[in-house]
Amino acid sequence: DTEVTQTPKHLVMGMTNKKSLKCEQHMGHRAMYWYKQKAKKPPELMFVYSYEKLSINESVPSRFSPECPNSSLLNLHLHALQPEDSALYLCASSQGPLGLAVDRDAHGTQYFGPGTRLLVL
Amino acid sequence: SQQGEEDPQALSIQEGENATMNCSYKTSINNLQWYRQNSGRGLVHLILIRSNEREKHSGRLRVTLDTSKKSSSLLITASRAADTASYFCALPNTGGFKTIFGAGTRLFVKA
Repeated sequence: DTEVTQTPKHLVMGMTNKKSLKCEQHMGHRAMYWYKQKAKKPPELMFVYSYEKLSINESVPSRFSPECPNSSLLNLHLHALQPEDSALYLCASSQGPLGLAVDRDAHGTQYFGPGTRLLVL
Repeated sequence: SQQGEEDPQALSIQEGENATMNCSYKTSINNLQWYRQNSGRGLVHLILIRSNEREKHSGRLRVTLDTSKKSSSLLITASRAADTASYFCALPNTGGFKTIFGAGTRLFVKA
């Protein structure tokens, strides 16, 4: 199984709502990522979890709160978002965290989910 | 800081033609990757080329890497309408702890 799944596919929320995005992989990968992608732009890294611990936070506003309940699941909790947060949110996983000397190439290959299209009104 | 710059930004070709897109970068790398993204979907990994490799093939894809010029190219031969997508090069950042994506090339293959 080389699939990363994300739910929901689409989400519309108001600025006062609380919602969560979910991501799941069953490839035994130990690194998981959240990216944000605006239209016609490349993905921008938000968070990295390595062995279920948050290893990178790219200065993301606190209205985005990541959570890694176990090695297969990654959540992104959303609260009090702004309209400019509307984007495609992509989850990805890789065999291991980047930066390790062991098998950098395998660790570098990321498997992406289909994304959640988020619209904040 | 590491950054991948791609050109062209957009490319429109006829089915059957070859498509070439280029990626340049600033600092030395261990490897470079290419990903494809169909409209509004997730990215799909295409090829990883190591710094000690000069060329790599996968089906109709050919990737070259010139570390002296800090550049890579992706060639798609005999293109098909289904190849219509955005193509991103991806590089490890300085320190190698995360992946930086280039701005992407939008390829449109006309049937």
